[in-house]
Amino acid sequence: ETGVTQSPTHLIKTRGQQVTLRCSSQSGHNTVSWYQQALGQGPQFIFQYYREEENGRGNFPPRFSGLQFPNYSSELNVNALELDDSALYLCASSSGGNTNYGYTFGSGTRLTVV
Amino acid sequence: GENVEQHPSTLSVQEGDSAVIKCTYSDSASNYFPWYKQELGKRPQLIIDIRSNVGEKKDQRIAVTLNKTAKHFSLHITETQPEDSAVYFCAACMSSSNSGYALNFGKGTSLLVTP
Repeated sequence: ETGVTQSPTHLIKTRGQQVTLRCSSQSGHNTVSWYQQALGQGPQFIFQYYREEENGRGNFPPRFSGLQFPNYSSELNVNALELDDSALYLCASSSGGNTNYGYTFGSGTRLTVV
Repeated sequence: GENVEQHPSTLSVQEGDSAVIKCTYSDSASNYFPWYKQELGKRPQLIIDIRSNVGEKKDQRIAVTLNKTAKHFSLHITETQPEDSAVYFCAACMSSSNSGYALNFGKGTSLLVTP
């Protein structure tokens, strides 16, 4: 088992609502990154957290926000949901904020916005 | 920012044949190139990676080559088996103060291995 757990596994929300997705990193990993994977596409980088601070951000609007907690778990919050936010949201953990270690992905949260 | 192109988008081979997937990247500062396999409904799994100080890396039936000058890297799977059928993603990474450690993924190659 990968050690990175995400919850919930599936979620259906209405346009305009807010959602919180959760991720527990693999033991020993202090960095968490979030990715959005639309159907048939590669994952797109949303942001990364290292030692509870945002350590980089992709091309996503401010209504996508996050947190990292002292135990290195993380939350992704999306406000004012849009239909295009429907996607698989992947959390990945790794060691070291700016070092090139391999990611371990969680199984993802499938978000559907109707 | 980094742009990763991946070809082909679909690839069908017969069991036992080889499969090659190619990727190009735009940012010469990228220095880490992982490959992920994603089966339907499952998480991406790292299958092999290469760093910019190495030209080739092999792990059993899987190999990756990197040409830094041309800014392209390739995945080679030999003696393909039906269980190799999946979507394969290449990615390129450069650590920076702005983007942290962000993987830039290609759009994926759907590999089908027929018995």
